[in-house]
Amino acid sequence: SQQGEEDPQALSIQEGENATMNCSYKTSINNLQWYRQNSGRGLVHLILIRSNEREKHSGRLRVTLDTSKKSSSLLITASRAADTASYFCATVQGAQKLVFGQGTRLTINP
Amino acid sequence: NAGVMQNPRHLVRRRGQEARLRCSPMKGHSHVYWYRQLPEEGLKFMVYLQKENIIDESGMPKERFSAEFPKEGPSILRIQQVVRGDSAAYFCASSPLANQPQHFGDGTRLSIL
Repeated sequence: SQQGEEDPQALSIQEGENATMNCSYKTSINNLQWYRQNSGRGLVHLILIRSNEREKHSGRLRVTLDTSKKSSSLLITASRAADTASYFCATVQGAQKLVFGQGTRLTINP
Repeated sequence: NAGVMQNPRHLVRRRGQEARLRCSPMKGHSHVYWYRQLPEEGLKFMVYLQKENIIDESGMPKERFSAEFPKEGPSILRIQQVVRGDSAAYFCASSPLANQPQHFGDGTRLSIL
């Protein structure tokens, strides 16, 4: 079954605005991770939030986790053109396999 | 400090040929993972290897696909008798330990004519 469904599928905002992406999952987790993928490139690990954490910050990134609703959100504040990319949440299942959602394609307009 | 290196970046094969995709993990990383990505989709797990051992191959098709991570040299994902449906981007990731974040290469884009 598909885990880590992102919402929205696509998001287009003006530079300087905040971008919020959501992710839902189905199984119990130890942690949830967010990745960024620039066009034609591999994934870059952004942030990991553990199941006993509710919020985590890293620079302009803020991640929240609600295990009761099995959902997470990624907020990018003061967006820049360089933030244009696809963003994926992922959960770990079994022996370390990452299960990704379909991703959110974020476009920052100058 | 080189990242995960994958080669070739682009590979074109005709139906029925074999495709060999290589992945050199980051220095000091002994855990390797292979994922496949279709256009406009997320990555799908294929196989997890740790030096000379396959730990989890639950995402590998039962036929035509195989993977190895020998004691010396890169990890290899091998696809025999390729079909059009094998066209995708194949990504390799590595980690130093099992519970550490995975570092991804830039992928191999496989096109089947």
